[in-house]
Amino acid sequence: QSVLTQPPSVSGAPGQRVTISCTGSSSNIGARYDVHWYQQLPGTAPRLLIYANNNRPSGVPDRFSGSKSGTSASLAITGLQAEDEADYYCQSYDSNLSGYVFGTGTKVTVL
Amino acid sequence: EVQLVESGGGLVQPGGSLRLSCAASGFTFISYEINWVRQAPGKGLEWVSYIRSSGTISYADSVKGRFTISRDDAKNSLYLQMNSLRAEDTAVYYCVRAIPAAINWFDPWGQGTLVTVSS
Repeated sequence: QSVLTQPPSVSGAPGQRVTISCTGSSSNIGARYDVHWYQQLPGTAPRLLIYANNNRPSGVPDRFSGSKSGTSASLAITGLQAEDEADYYCQSYDSNLSGYVFGTGTKVTVL
Repeated sequence: EVQLVESGGGLVQPGGSLRLSCAASGFTFISYEINWVRQAPGKGLEWVSYIRSSGTISYADSVKGRFTISRDDAKNSLYLQMNSLRAEDTAVYYCVRAIPAAINWFDPWGQGTLVTVSS
């Protein structure tokens, strides 16, 4: 059971900007725990997209950005491209569960 | 190149057991926390367990008492012994390295191994 809530889907036309929210609580994101984001292309394993709220690993385009405030975090994709069609997951840690937690996942569709 | 390769998945009956393995290469295995994360068909990601270089272990409540994580640093290998398997354990199981930080993140991920629990 995911304790981090994401919208099931978001969509946008090529070139547009989309955002994905990740809503938690006082025992995870609200406890000032960092949030990380992963991209999962169809039929593949997830890959790291954003770490520590707003940092991009080498090789990730700067179209992807992250932010965090209070009990929520967000992933933004600007200049949406067809290759961005994938599932996206946020991840953090929960002190009540004493373990890592993932968001429910968001499917991004490029119209 | 940092690489994690899982093996051992397959079809098992409810109540049965299975042992997954993960072979690591390209980094100093002994220095890292390694995790198992699973994904049921068409569903999201679920953290399963971690084992730290110190030997500290943690499990998700959904598998506690049924699954056992272990590592052999001499063989650069991670294992997951799964007992009393249930239909809801059906998933692709990923082996992932945790990058040490205030809150660890996972990089890279293995390609996954499919476990199917069915009669």
